[in-house]
Amino acid sequence: RKEVEQDPGPFNVPEGATVAFNCTYSNSASQSFFWYRQDCRKEPKLLMSVYSSGNEDGRFTAQLNRASQYISLLIRDSKLSDSATYLCVVNQAGTALIFGKGTTLSVSS
Amino acid sequence: GAGVSQSPSNKVTEKGKDVELRCDPISGHTALYWYRQRLGQGLEFLIYFQGNSAPDKSGLPSDRFSAERTGESVSTLTIQRTQQEDSAVYLCASSSRAVLYEQYFGPGTRLTVT
Repeated sequence: RKEVEQDPGPFNVPEGATVAFNCTYSNSASQSFFWYRQDCRKEPKLLMSVYSSGNEDGRFTAQLNRASQYISLLIRDSKLSDSATYLCVVNQAGTALIFGKGTTLSVSS
Repeated sequence: GAGVSQSPSNKVTEKGKDVELRCDPISGHTALYWYRQRLGQGLEFLIYFQGNSAPDKSGLPSDRFSAERTGESVSTLTIQRTQQEDSAVYLCASSSRAVLYEQYFGPGTRLTVT
């Protein structure tokens, strides 16, 4: 089983849509969780951390379910500029980040 | 302030040659990471430095790969006797001791082995 698994997509949605991405991780010792964003042929950039109680940043909401080892990202009111690959990332103490392969989102007008 | 920088941005080399890739982390960031991303694939962890020491080298794919870091600053990733399967984008990231997990990536070096 892969350490971090994501549906690769692509998710094709119209502007204004709400879209949700899911991610599962295999190691119950994982301690920190993140969503990164990667634009085509660019480096990944941190989008948001994911906290146990869930957290929101504008149109983006992240949730964590430790019991199910499941992380989600919800994007409301999608913009054209949201088109990118979204990487689910987990960390265990003392090790580097483990990246999922990403979910591709394409928002169209 | 300045972000993570990497050089060269592109490198084309012949199979069998050695290459050196350089990373300059954000000033003051104690942790430095190397990743590899093959075309259409996810990020593959290679090695992690905390200061000048490398507590985790588990991701280096073979003994042709090595990395060092000096002065808690610049790092070089060396690939000896390059093979075509080494072709990828090599990404460097750094983070501060306070927030180890918020990594800031450089633009990467695109390596093509012909």
